[in-house]
Amino acid sequence: AQSVTQLDSQVPVFEEAPVELRCNYSSSVSVYLFWYVQYPNQGLQLLLKYLSGSTLVESINGFEAEFNKSQTSFHLRKPSVHISDTAEYFCAPGFQKLVFGTGTRLLVSP
Amino acid sequence: NAGVMQNPRHLVRRRGQEARLRCSPMKGHSHVYWYRQLPEEGLKFMVYLQKENIIDESGMPKERFSAEFPKEGPSILRIQQVVRGDSAAYFCASSPRQVGETQYFGPGTRLLVL
Repeated sequence: AQSVTQLDSQVPVFEEAPVELRCNYSSSVSVYLFWYVQYPNQGLQLLLKYLSGSTLVESINGFEAEFNKSQTSFHLRKPSVHISDTAEYFCAPGFQKLVFGTGTRLLVSP
Repeated sequence: NAGVMQNPRHLVRRRGQEARLRCSPMKGHSHVYWYRQLPEEGLKFMVYLQKENIIDESGMPKERFSAEFPKEGPSILRIQQVVRGDSAAYFCASSPRQVGETQYFGPGTRLLVL
């Protein structure tokens, strides 16, 4: 069985500031790890994923996440956020079905 | 390549009616997943289907809910005798043949039960 904890329900930041969204998971088996983003009234879009290999994975819009097996974490980071990054972010471990965290709302203000 | 399509996007039903939610996976995808998102909550897995087979329905309520993915046509999530607590956003996702592949999500169907 898998479970996931997103420690922050809401993260307010100013534009161009760095941000980290935390995700810890537990699993009795090896899993894949995903970050999805949800904009208001829309479906989820894949942001990045870890399947195997390099523990640092990057997205095309500047986000990155690092898989830490010893700490069972997969935190999401961005060195400089933009207003358009305002959205809900979901961490999801899984093998077939995904187990979603409760989400972290990133609020970027000018 | 069109994405995952869901219809209707919004559905209003009165208590006791039936709700049918449709999902057309991406072309070439034979795995379909249904998730439910209650207000202010994350997504919860409901059911995982391949063509003509239910693989995992561990997240489905025991009564009133059913799902199918026929050989031809979209996947259907059916809710009989809806209650107010069924009001939620229902998302469908599809993935290619291999397990562990990325799941691509549709825009969701927002069900409101009056």
